[in-house]
Amino acid sequence: GQQLNQSPQSMFIQEGEDVSMNCTSSSIFNTWLWYKQDPGEGPVLLIALYKAGELTSNGRLTAQFGITRKDSFLNISASIPSDVGIYFCAGVLTQGGSEKLVFGKGTKLTVNP
Amino acid sequence: EAGVTQFPSHSVIEKGQTVTLRCDPISGHDNLYWYRRVMGKEIKFLLHFVKESKQDESGMPNNRFLAERTGGTYSTLKVQPAELEDSGVYFCASSLLGRMNTEAFFGQGTRLTVV
Repeated sequence: GQQLNQSPQSMFIQEGEDVSMNCTSSSIFNTWLWYKQDPGEGPVLLIALYKAGELTSNGRLTAQFGITRKDSFLNISASIPSDVGIYFCAGVLTQGGSEKLVFGKGTKLTVNP
Repeated sequence: EAGVTQFPSHSVIEKGQTVTLRCDPISGHDNLYWYRRVMGKEIKFLLHFVKESKQDESGMPNNRFLAERTGGTYSTLKVQPAELEDSGVYFCASSLLGRMNTEAFFGQGTRLTVV
């Protein structure tokens, strides 16, 4: 089945530093998503990417959809303590009239003040 | 407006027991999804309801898992009998009919521990 390889698995950074994480897949996805999960909460959508090569920003977050539709990266600039959490990439899979999300394993981000 | 709510937030049960998880989607959302994250692994799709009908249950692990959505409102996911490998966080998500999955909202999850 489809799998998303997400890296790194975890990151420990100082407040103010920039962060980059990425996802790759052996399959093509027409839509890529980036989510953040805070402790004790469910995933919350950060950015959605629909077009190959698309570069989209949401505040300090920037994400790009790879030209081949098989990869994506998420950058966080000038990190702050509330950026702590687990970041997931996900691809939207459409099969037989049903849509579902295929997730990566997540990147756990720790920000030291 | 209330978001997607899940009950209980935590459950610890013994192997062989039965547990029922509940999800209340956002009012008016006909699409309802169940996902599960086993420790350290990816979040995996379990099944998709459209109103009360199962649109896709290809992700259900085995016949110990039973999902229902009577009346097309809230949904339950029952595990009977529970096994150790069923431990994990179970997420529910909902979206409006005809909306892409990008507009699905997730609940806070139920952390299930089978001992």
